[in-house]
Amino acid sequence: DVKVTQSSRYLVKRTGEKVFLECVQDMDHENMFWYRQDPGLGLRLIYFSYDVKMKEKGDIPEGYSVSREKKERFSLILESASTNQTSMYLCASSPRAGAESDEQFFGPGTRLTVL
Amino acid sequence: GEDVEQSLFLSVREGDSSVINCTYTDSSSTYLYWYKQEPGAGLQLLTYIFSNMDMKQDQRLTVLLNKKDKHLSLRIADTQTGDSAIYFCAERLEKTSYDKVIFGPGTSLSVIP
Repeated sequence: DVKVTQSSRYLVKRTGEKVFLECVQDMDHENMFWYRQDPGLGLRLIYFSYDVKMKEKGDIPEGYSVSREKKERFSLILESASTNQTSMYLCASSPRAGAESDEQFFGPGTRLTVL
Repeated sequence: GEDVEQSLFLSVREGDSSVINCTYTDSSSTYLYWYKQEPGAGLQLLTYIFSNMDMKQDQRLTVLLNKKDKHLSLRIADTQTGDSAIYFCAERLEKTSYDKVIFGPGTSLSVIP
C-alpha cells in the first residue's frame, strides 16, 4: 500500500517561531510537492522538488523554504511563522513526468494554527 | 492564464445523480483529473481523462470533456451518503521543467439521506 506520511496532523505554533513540516513517501517518486489548502482557494503550490537537492518555487513561496536531502523526504520550513500562514498543508508525490496519468499521491495533511 | 473554476457547493438527495462542473482556461492541458477529499484526509485520485478523449466511464462515475468549451464534468450515478466529500477538478499542463497541475477550489458535495 503506497503511502505519503506527514509528521503531524495538527500543530499549534506562536508567531515568530520556526516551524518544520516533514513529509515522507515510500514510492520512490522523483517529484514531491507542498501545497496549502484554504477554503474557497483550493490548493496552491508553495514549492516542489523533482530530484534530491533540487527545488523550484511554486505560486506562493514567500515566507517558506524547503529541503530535500533524501529522495523520500521533503521538508517545508516556515522561518518565522505568521498568523496568515494558518492553513492546511498538504504534501504530495508523483513519479517522474512521462508515467501514465502522473497521479499525485497526497498525505493526510497538517493543520497548522499560528497564534 | 492558468485558472480552474468550480462551484463551491452542491447538495443532492441520496439515490439521485450528482453532476459537478469545472471550467479551465489553459488549452495546453494533457490530463484532467478529479480528486476526492474526505473529511480530515488528503486528496485521492478518483478518475482522470486524457485530453484527447471526450468521455470516460468507470462504474458509477462518468467524466465528460468538452475541449472546445474547456469544460469538464463529473457525474456520480446513484449518489450515496459516502460520496459526501470535496471534489477537486485539476488540469495538468505541459511545462518545460515539470508538468504543472492546477487545482480548482473544490466543490463540497452534501448528500441528503
